[in-house]
Amino acid sequence: TQLLEQSPQFLSIQEGENLTVYCNSSSVFSSLQWYRQEPGEGPVLLVTVVTGGEVKKLKRLTFQFGDARKDSSLHITAAQPGDTGLYLCAGAPSNTGKLIFGQGTTLQVKP
Amino acid sequence: KAGVTQTPRYLIKTRGQQVTLSCSPISGHRSVSWYQQTPGQGLQFLFEYFSETQRNKGNFPGRFSGRQFSNSRSEMNVSTLELGDSALYLCASSPRTGGITEAFFGQGTRLTVV
Repeated sequence: TQLLEQSPQFLSIQEGENLTVYCNSSSVFSSLQWYRQEPGEGPVLLVTVVTGGEVKKLKRLTFQFGDARKDSSLHITAAQPGDTGLYLCAGAPSNTGKLIFGQGTTLQVKP
Repeated sequence: KAGVTQTPRYLIKTRGQQVTLSCSPISGHRSVSWYQQTPGQGLQFLFEYFSETQRNKGNFPGRFSGRQFSNSRSEMNVSTLELGDSALYLCASSPRTGGITEAFFGQGTRLTVV
């Protein structure tokens, strides 16, 4: 069974701080996505990484895919209260249409 | 482009009843997947439909079933409801192009079983 382990599970920081969320697995994924979910809503796709070692930036968010395509990280620079939410990583083991999700990281950014 | 639409948004059912949830995918997307989200288990894959055929199935009992219509709209059915079926049920559509699986989610249906 392929699993994705996210850490930390909870993070409470002050506005302006930096943070990194990790997503690890012992399995290889053909692609990996990061989503953000707010209470009462469905997850919203932030980014997809496909190539080992790939780095993508979305404003203050930096996403990295591990060289072996088994892990990924999300780094947020100068966090803002609007970044508050549940961050989920999800991997596609192959082009099956099935996504395996990590347990999520709940981020709270205090003003 | 309109997003993924799920109906109803909220549902309260009694143990033993059955329920049908509906999902309209993004126009042009032929793949529809269903996920169950609970605080304890997180997001878990139920099944995927592509061109009216079930392509993948998660590890859920046979009480959970689905189907997809020729216009790509999908329904999910849960029979003989149990208290543990209370969850947020999410539908996601995907273009499934280029060998990459990306999911675009609806707002979900919050099912409460009492």
